[in-house]
Amino acid sequence: GDSVTQMEGPVTLSEEACLTINCTYTATGYPSLFWYVQYPGEGLQLLLKATKADDKGSNKGFEATYRKETTSFHLEKGSVQVSDSAVYFCALIAYGSGNTGKLIFGQGTTLQVKP
Amino acid sequence: ETGVTQTPRHLVMGMTNKKSLKCEQHLGHNAMYWYKQSAKKPLELMFVYSLEERVENNSVPSRFSPECPNSSHLFLHLHTLQPEDSALYLCASSGGQGGVYEQYFGPGTRLTVT
Repeated sequence: GDSVTQMEGPVTLSEEACLTINCTYTATGYPSLFWYVQYPGEGLQLLLKATKADDKGSNKGFEATYRKETTSFHLEKGSVQVSDSAVYFCALIAYGSGNTGKLIFGQGTTLQVKP
Repeated sequence: ETGVTQTPRHLVMGMTNKKSLKCEQHLGHNAMYWYKQSAKKPLELMFVYSLEERVENNSVPSRFSPECPNSSHLFLHLHTLQPEDSALYLCASSGGQGGVYEQYFGPGTRLTVT
C-alpha cells in the first residue's frame, strides 16, 4: 500500500542554519504531496503542497520539490528561526470515494531551533 | 469564527463514562474526517464523511461512534473507552470541489482515559 517515510528526529539546529528534512514515498499512480506543521499544543497546519512531478511548493521560506524519479519530497529552508520549532509531517493523498482524500502521513520529524 | 473548531480542547474521562467530541467547519467544505494521534505512532485516519455519508471506517472499535448531522458538523461519541484510547483526536475538512482536496485541521481534543 501507499506509505510515507521521513527521516527520524529530533533535528536540533542553531538559528539561521539550513534545514533539510527528507521524505520519500511509495504510491500507485501520482499522488499529491504535502508538508504539514504542528506547533506545540496545536493541530496540523498545511505548510505547502505539490500536485505533480517537478512542482515546487513554497511557504514561509520553506520549499519542497516533487521528484518523481526519486519518489521524494524533501523539505528545505535556508535559514531557520526559533519560531520554526515544531513537528513536521510529510503526507500524500490517496483519493477515496465521494470526492474525499485519505491522507497518509509519515511519522513526523521534530525540529528544535536554538537561539 | 473561521476554519475548523473543536470542543472541548481537553477531556478527562473514566472508562465507564460517555462523552462526545464536537467538530465544526466554517469553510463550506463537504467532507470531514476524524484522525487519532498517539504518542510515537503515525497519524491514523479513523472515519471519513462525504456529504454527510460515511464513506470510510478504518476498522475502528465500536466504542467510537461518529455522527455527521450536516456538512458543517461532525461528532465522535465515546463510550467504555480504554486507557490506550488516550490521544489527540483531530478533525479535518476538505472541499471536494475538484483539485487537490487538501485537508484543513482543527486544533484537536486531548483525551485522557483514566
